[in-house]
Parts: sequence; C-alpha cells; structure tokens
Amino acid sequence: KNQVEQSPQSLIILEGKNCTLQCNYTVSPFSNLRWYKQDTGRGPVSLTIMTFSENTKSNGRYTATLDADTKQSSLHITASQLSDSASYICVVANRHQAGTALIFGKGTTLSVSS
Amino acid sequence: EPEVTQTPSHQVTQMGQEVILRCVPISNHLYFYWYRQILGQKVEFLVSFYNNEISEKSEIFDDQFSVERPDGSNFTLKIRSTKLEDSAMYFCASSVEGYGYTFGSGTRLTVV
Repeated sequence: KNQVEQSPQSLIILEGKNCTLQCNYTVSPFSNLRWYKQDTGRGPVSLTIMTFSENTKSNGRYTATLDADTKQSSLHITASQLSDSASYICVVANRHQAGTALIFGKGTTLSVSS
Repeated sequence: EPEVTQTPSHQVTQMGQEVILRCVPISNHLYFYWYRQILGQKVEFLVSFYNNEISEKSEIFDDQFSVERPDGSNFTLKIRSTKLEDSAMYFCASSVEGYGYTFGSGTRLTVV
C-alpha cells in the first residue's frame, strides 16, 4: 500500500535554531517527492520538488534531501523564524499519473517560539 | 504570482442541502483537482479533471459529488446532499502538465 510517514508529529524549537523533519515512504512507482508548507487554514505551498535523480534541493533556508534507495527524505530548516511555524507535509507522487499521484503524509507541526 | 482562487472561504450548510464550491484555476493550466482535508487528518485526493472530463477519482468521490467546468474559467465541486462527515477543508489545485501543482487557499465546509 502506498504510504507516506512523517516524524516527528510535532516539534517545538526556539527562534534561530535549526531543525530536521523526516519522511519515509512506500510509494511505487515513484515519480517525485515534494515538501509543502501549510499554514493553519490555508492551502499547501510548495517548498521543493525532487525527482529520483536528485539528492538535495534548497529553497532559501529550506534544504530537502532524498535517498531513493532507502525511500527516505528530510527537510532541514536553518535559522528558524517565527513565521516558520506551520505544518510541513511530505508528499510523494506516482509516475505517469495526475491527481491520484499525490500521496500526502500527515505532516509535522512545527512551532517556533521566541 | 498567479493564484488559484477559491470561493467562498467558509460555507455553512444544513445536512441534506446541496453545496457548490467554486474555484478559478490559473489561466494557462490544463489539469484541475479537488482535494479535501478533514480537521486533523491528511489531505486526500478526490478527483482530477482534464480535457473537460474526469481523468481519475478516488473512492471518496461517490455519486454525491460532481465536478464541472461551466465556462472555461471556473471549476466547481458540487455535493448533492451533504452529510456531517463532509465537513472539511476543500482545496482546489491546478497544474500545467500534471507536475507543478498550485493549491488554492481552500473552502472550509461546515455541515450542521
């Protein structure tokens, strides 16, 4: 069964600190892996998209890694800011499909405090 | 930056009533989707729409649901007879080629 598991479920860090969120997936055939940021009551906003051949991708203070062999990904946030407080969702896409391709994890809720 | 626009942002309806959720996708996008997120749960796929027809749908998308692109710009989701368990955030998304999705801000549907 295609699944995306994320850890931790929630995380509290101090402003300025770094953190790493984890994602494990069992999706086949694999097309790409995405990290989204979702603020409360808002739609998901794309942070990174990585295909099978990409090991790492950065978007500002966000750096995602992908190990397609172990089917693991991480999202590293550097020098956290209060505005980083949100849910971070790992999403894996099946190959050659639209719509049903996106399999969502439950997300990690990040709280950044001052 | 182009956006996917959803209206209304919040809809309250009585059980058994019909609701229509509206979306304006990005103008040059060709693929359109509806997803939903029940409070505290993960986002779930409902349906994808391409070339004026449904291309895929999930088991959630039963006969109570329908989608339409009535005028070339709007994309609507209709729930014929709402149930309490239909209460959720409903997200519309669009993409050019089925790869780079853009999500709308969602419509919060509350069935009472």
